[in-house]
Amino acid sequence: GAVVSQHPSRVICKSGTSVKIECRSLDFQATTMFWYRQFPKKSLMLMATSNEGSKATYEQGVEKDKFLINHASLTLSTLTVTSAHPEDSSFYICSARGLVDEQFFGPGTRLTVL
Amino acid sequence: SQQGEEDPQALSIQEGENATMNCSYKTSINNLQWYRQNSGRGLVHLILIRSNEREKHSGRLRVTLDTSKKSSSLLITASRAADTASYFCATDKSGGSNYKLTFGKGTLLTVNP
Repeated sequence: GAVVSQHPSRVICKSGTSVKIECRSLDFQATTMFWYRQFPKKSLMLMATSNEGSKATYEQGVEKDKFLINHASLTLSTLTVTSAHPEDSSFYICSARGLVDEQFFGPGTRLTVL
Repeated sequence: SQQGEEDPQALSIQEGENATMNCSYKTSINNLQWYRQNSGRGLVHLILIRSNEREKHSGRLRVTLDTSKKSSSLLITASRAADTASYFCATDKSGGSNYKLTFGKGTLLTVNP
């Protein structure tokens, strides 16, 4: 299957700082990328849908100003957690949609806010 | 309403046995996808089955789809310890202009050596 990378894989930051997570589709162009959040032993919760060249569509209850998403190219989307707090600690996973509806996921980023 | 609910929530079997996981959903779908997730890792795409398909195979995996019952099953034959993981189904609803997958809660499969 197609490859999606995420960077960093793990980040620890102090409360109040901002953290940027990158998601790249390595061997295909992804017009649509998705950002999910996953709590321990829980399922994935869709945060937002990111379309190249346009504003992201956020799910209900997800703060746009808190979670900034940029999809500047067909292979790169970024999620910035602004002014992070301990409750933002979570596992963040991105995915990219291929040409035939399959969705490929990155390895995830473990964010810990102290 | 919950779209994509897996059953059972947890399954423990011996190596060599078959594992069957089920997924039910509530609305009409375009396709249904199964994923595997090892602890603390990303999701690995296993199989996509479209709404006009009834069965699909990939190696030791067999997926069925019954749109009349709004359910799907994932069968792993001759299981191995390395199959230990969480398995999720995800549905892509039909209709509407926005594509997005909705995930079930997952089945935690443990294959004992």
